[in-house]
Amino acid sequence: QVQLQESGPGLVKPSETLSLTCAVSGGSISSSYWWSWVRQSPGKGLEWIGESYHSGSTNYNPSLKSRVTISVDKSKNQFSLKLNSVTAADTAIYYCARNGLRYNWNYDWGQGTLVTVSS
Amino acid sequence: QLVLTQSPSASASLGASVKLTCTLSSGHSSYAIAWHQQQPEKGPRYLMKLNSDGSHTKGDGIPDRFSGSSSGAERYLTISSLQSEDEADYYCQTWGTGIHVFGTGTKVTVL
Repeated sequence: QVQLQESGPGLVKPSETLSLTCAVSGGSISSSYWWSWVRQSPGKGLEWIGESYHSGSTNYNPSLKSRVTISVDKSKNQFSLKLNSVTAADTAIYYCARNGLRYNWNYDWGQGTLVTVSS
Repeated sequence: QLVLTQSPSASASLGASVKLTCTLSSGHSSYAIAWHQQQPEKGPRYLMKLNSDGSHTKGDGIPDRFSGSSSGAERYLTISSLQSEDEADYYCQTWGTGIHVFGTGTKVTVL
């Protein structure tokens, strides 16, 4: 059973870079899944941020593309999210996920981590 | 543009059934979707992948009370024998080339 665990600062200052890591256990990051980030602003719905494959291929939400980088670290079996030039609008719970939908496999969620953007 | 439309809310009595709808935007009626459940103060949980022909693949441990069906551009999630723990937000999700989209969610209230 795969487990996904987000980690990173819970508080980021405006204009700085939000950096989160998702540690993967119980599965290999080199398997045929896409590794995704999704966020949820307080009281709002789910917003897809983007995804990465172990090969380095990435896809991003067009509304965030200019500020987002998602990368995979095979040596540590983890993947990461960087979102730069953050504002208060980026305050949200950030979830990492393993996406196997293209192959009728599961979509597995991490528990989420709250990131607040404030000075 | 790939868009999913969901009604904001639905309700049904304990033990009854409720059917949720997720509508794909024009030109995307052949797309598969996924359904996710989010109970209050919890993270999302994957329920199933639902294809345009109504076939579906459920996530691990998802009860038989949850089923999916399709008609044209509409994708449905039916919850039978409603239980109190089914009170939650339900999101549909779809994907195209290089893009994923979530619907706005339907809040289910168990009366």
